[in-house]
Amino acid sequence: DAKTTQPPSMDCAEGRAANLPCNHSTISGNEYVYWYRQIHSQGPQYIIHGLKNNETNEMASLIITEDRKSSTLILPHATLRDTAVYYCIGGDTGTASKLTFGTGTRLQVTL
Amino acid sequence: KAGVTQTPRYLIKTRGQQVTLSCSPISGHRSVSWYQQTPGQGLQFLFEYFSETQRNKGNFPGRFSGRQFSNSRSEMNVSTLELGDSALYLCASSKGQRGFTDTQYFGPGTRLTVL
Repeated sequence: DAKTTQPPSMDCAEGRAANLPCNHSTISGNEYVYWYRQIHSQGPQYIIHGLKNNETNEMASLIITEDRKSSTLILPHATLRDTAVYYCIGGDTGTASKLTFGTGTRLQVTL
Repeated sequence: KAGVTQTPRYLIKTRGQQVTLSCSPISGHRSVSWYQQTPGQGLQFLFEYFSETQRNKGNFPGRFSGRQFSNSRSEMNVSTLELGDSALYLCASSKGQRGFTDTQYFGPGTRLTVL
């Protein structure tokens, strides 16, 4: 699985866009980038995943650079309920069921 | 659709005892994975079961075991509990299809405290 690097913490004002970066310079061609988040003491929640193209769903957008060495998760209008630890994970379809979580980014959304 | 459920939610045991945790996956999901989360080691993969067979295994001692039933419900067992086994144990279910990205859906976890 690709090793990912994320900043340990970030702050964002409520209503503003939260842009969470992830470096995955060792990602291989068949490895996807997954994003999960974990709100305090709850189970992780799936957000989005992508391979090469940018992806968008009702929760977030995922922007993957052309060389696939990094990506950015965008929460377009952060709310207090988005305060959580966000995990960027690299993995292929064979490892989708055995995710390797790093330390993640603790996002604090403030008024 | 009901989510992943785990029972019990909280458990207190003493060293040397054994414990069994239960996980009911989302209806139609055939894969169940187990994870351990501790403040020191973070979230670590324990094992995955698919169609009653262990398909993947993490790097944990043999004291940690699991099984899956024909209805896809899964249990994990930890024998001879140690203080370091105190953790949040998370279960995740997915369809288990190979060749597709297979989103995992996590349950709320079982908080195990070993005294």
